[in-house]
Amino acid sequence: AQKVTQAQTEISVVEKEDVTLDCVYETRDTTYYLFWYKQPPSGELVFLIRRNSFDEQNEISGRYSWNFQKSTSSFNFTITASQVVDSAVYFCALSEAQVNAGKSTFGDGTTLTVKP
Amino acid sequence: DTAVSQTPKYLVTQMGNDKSIKCEQNLGHDTMYWYKQDSKKFLKIMFSYNNKELIINETVPNRFSPKSPDKAHLNLHINSLELGDSAVYFCASSHIRIVAGVSSGELFFGEGSRLTVL
Repeated sequence: AQKVTQAQTEISVVEKEDVTLDCVYETRDTTYYLFWYKQPPSGELVFLIRRNSFDEQNEISGRYSWNFQKSTSSFNFTITASQVVDSAVYFCALSEAQVNAGKSTFGDGTTLTVKP
Repeated sequence: DTAVSQTPKYLVTQMGNDKSIKCEQNLGHDTMYWYKQDSKKFLKIMFSYNNKELIINETVPNRFSPKSPDKAHLNLHINSLELGDSAVYFCASSHIRIVAGVSSGELFFGEGSRLTVL
């Protein structure tokens, strides 16, 4: 069975600080996908990034970066120079390797508050 | 044009009533889902349909019945509502890509339907 753990329930930082959101996953599959989603206070869920298990290259998109380490089963998300607009709940998710399933198991989310 | 739209956005109803939530996507995706988000923000998959066929049915009471008239629509009907059904219900869609035998696609979510059962 798959499992996603986001150990940090809540994080509070001051604007311009860097912050890392942790995600640890468990799966028996050798092939799988990992995702991050953002849920701002307005409530919608927005896709941020997808990474497959074959690709351990880190990715950077503006102030966002993701560090995927298969050896530690982690897929951490770093926000550099955080801004108030980054305040949201962030979810890490893992997708099963089943044809035509696409089922994603979500972590419990990390609530990030960025204070001015 | 909203990619995934669900109606209504808010539902307030009494215990024991029946209610429906509708969802439509205009992304041309082949797979649609219902997720439930409880008061602690935990997200759990309920159902998934691929080209109108039910492919995922998690442990959900049979008071919940999804219906997919075509691959662009996935509705959720709930009978005999209970207090514990109060939550935000998210519809989502994805295009399932098959790479190296693995099927996956990122989810595109609707805005959510907040159901309050009194």
